[in-house]
Amino acid sequence: TQLLEQSPQFLSIQEGENLTVYCNSSSVFSSLQWYRQEPGEGPVLLVTVVTGGEVKKLKRLTFQFGDARKDSSLHITAAQPGDTGLYLCAGITIKAAGNKLTFGGGTRVLVKP
Amino acid sequence: EAGVAQSPRYKIIEKRQSVAFWCNPISGHATLYWYQQILGQGPKLLIQFQNNGVVDDSQLPKDRFSAERLKGVDSTLKIQPAKLEDSAVYLCASSQRGHFYNEQFFGPGTRLTVL
Repeated sequence: TQLLEQSPQFLSIQEGENLTVYCNSSSVFSSLQWYRQEPGEGPVLLVTVVTGGEVKKLKRLTFQFGDARKDSSLHITAAQPGDTGLYLCAGITIKAAGNKLTFGGGTRVLVKP
Repeated sequence: EAGVAQSPRYKIIEKRQSVAFWCNPISGHATLYWYQQILGQGPKLLIQFQNNGVVDDSQLPKDRFSAERLKGVDSTLKIQPAKLEDSAVYLCASSQRGHFYNEQFFGPGTRLTVL
């Protein structure tokens, strides 16, 4: 069974501070996705990382995929209250009839003004 | 483009009762997923459909949960009888077949409380 562990589980910071969320697996995934989920809504895709060592930037968010494709990190620079939410990583298992996502437990981020 | 629709948004029932959730995916999306998200955890896949066929139901508690997608479009998920531990948000998602790193589009979920 492939498992993804996220850390920390909860993070509370002041506006303007930086934060990093980690996602670790004992297994290799073909690719990995990061989602953000707000209360009362479903998760929304932020990014897909595919290649070991890959770094992707989305405004103030930087995503990195480990060289061995077993871990990933999300770094937010100068966090804003709008960054508050549940951040989920998900490993992708490629299947012919539609890829399967295995989600981590999530990191709840609270950015206080 | 309309997103994934789910209803109801909230449901409160007593244990041993039955409940059903409905999902209408994005038009043209062949793959439909049902997830269970317990408070404080990430979503867990319950069942995956490709058109009207089941692709993966390995984590569906089949003694009490059932799901169907008869015409390959909308889907229903049923729990009968419900247990306290079934309290969770039930998310439906859909994706386009053939998109390699397919983005799954999620509905807002149905929050189920079992008393």
